Amino acid sequence: DSGVTQTPKHLITATGQRVTLRCSPRSGDLSVYWYQQSLDQGLQFLIQYYNGEERAKGNILERFSAQQFPDLHSELNLSSLELGDSALYFCASSPPSRETQYFGPGTRLLVL
Amino acid sequence: SQQGEEDPQALSIQEGENATMNCSYKTSINNLQWYRQNSGRGLVHLILIRSNEREKHSGRLRVTLDTSKKSSSLLITASRAADTASYFCATGLLTGGGNKLTFGTGTQLKVEL
Repeated sequence: DSGVTQTPKHLITATGQRVTLRCSPRSGDLSVYWYQQSLDQGLQFLIQYYNGEERAKGNILERFSAQQFPDLHSELNLSSLELGDSALYFCASSPPSRETQYFGPGTRLLVL
Repeated sequence: SQQGEEDPQALSIQEGENATMNCSYKTSINNLQWYRQNSGRGLVHLILIRSNEREKHSGRLRVTLDTSKKSSSLLITASRAADTASYFCATGLLTGGGNKLTFGTGTQLKVEL
């Protein structure tokens, strides 16, 4: 158990809908990262937050957005969902000035 | 986009044998890490090597890094059935307060009894 929690574990929804994925980092970790893992794209970095501020952006679609709250938990919002958004979404956290990331168990999203 | 290409894509060995996985990347990095993933579950951090290091050990794991060739290798010695998993290399670039990881395509390791 990495200490990073993600909810929900599974999510099934329809095209065009909007969902919110939630992540709680390990105690003391200020950085939160979001990744998408799909069969065709592999593991892709989406976005990073540090202490509430966006710090790095990867291949995140405009339909997707994220934020990190004062209590350091983070949410990833996915809107106007398409079939191709079906994937495993991972959150990871890291302590200040440390390179290692600790991954949560992921949220499996299925868009029908 | 994928930074790292891993080789082989799949590897099947007998318990007790050594397993070697290779990772090549394209751009400059600050560090490189290896992660393990069991069938659709979360990633577990194995080992980190910084760009100014050449070799690191952790238990049965040995990692090398050659920045001139932009390549790394992970050696698992005396493999066990429990080592069966997918292994990913991830190159790291330091960002504001963090480390942006770009993952490779992964090697699927199967260790048979």
